[in-house]
Amino acid sequence: DAGITQSPRHKVTETGTPVTLRCHQTENHRYMYWYRQDPGHGLRLIHYSYGVKDTDKGEVSDGYSVSRSKTEDFLLTLESATSSQTSVYFCAISARTPNTEAFFGQGTRLTVV
Amino acid sequence: GESVGLHLPTLSVQEGDNSIINCAYSNSASDYFIWYKQESGKGPQFIIDIRSNMDKRQGQRVTVLLNKTVKHLSLQIAATQPGDSAVYFCAENNSGNTGKLIFGQGTTLQVKP
Repeated sequence: DAGITQSPRHKVTETGTPVTLRCHQTENHRYMYWYRQDPGHGLRLIHYSYGVKDTDKGEVSDGYSVSRSKTEDFLLTLESATSSQTSVYFCAISARTPNTEAFFGQGTRLTVV
Repeated sequence: GESVGLHLPTLSVQEGDNSIINCAYSNSASDYFIWYKQESGKGPQFIIDIRSNMDKRQGQRVTVLLNKTVKHLSLQIAATQPGDSAVYFCAENNSGNTGKLIFGQGTTLQVKP
């Protein structure tokens, strides 16, 4: 999986609680992405990073924040989890852009009850 | 609007036959396309990519065809094997240097023995 580790792999949390998902890479790639995958929607981009401390919003960023304090780690935080954020979350990395493939982690299954 | 979609949600083929998975995109400015394979419980896995200055690219048992005139992308898998059973996604990059990908809904490929 191109040296990408997501943690935790599974999490159940209660509505209203904050949750942080971690993506760790050992490839020293510059670009990192957080996607969510839901039935009928494919994968949708939440946030991405183009360098340390450089991040930007994707198409479904509401309710999420990210941080990247070092090259290898990209954190996704759900500030106050809602049931609509129950999903499978994937981290991806890319060495350079444009026109370079992104490699994905194994995913984190998050359930908000 | 921008969208990437797949013509068929499920494709069932006989082992040994060739498979063709189709994808339509709407943004003529898209300049890079990727096919991913996703097995159950795993993250998307890169299969093959193609740039907009090409109309065909071949890999091992796979071929991607790009028809920019009708904004259509296809993935051909030769001699389909049971291990090819998965969900296949096409993705496009139309955001220049950010590397952000827009994914289609996915097509499930079922290989019958």
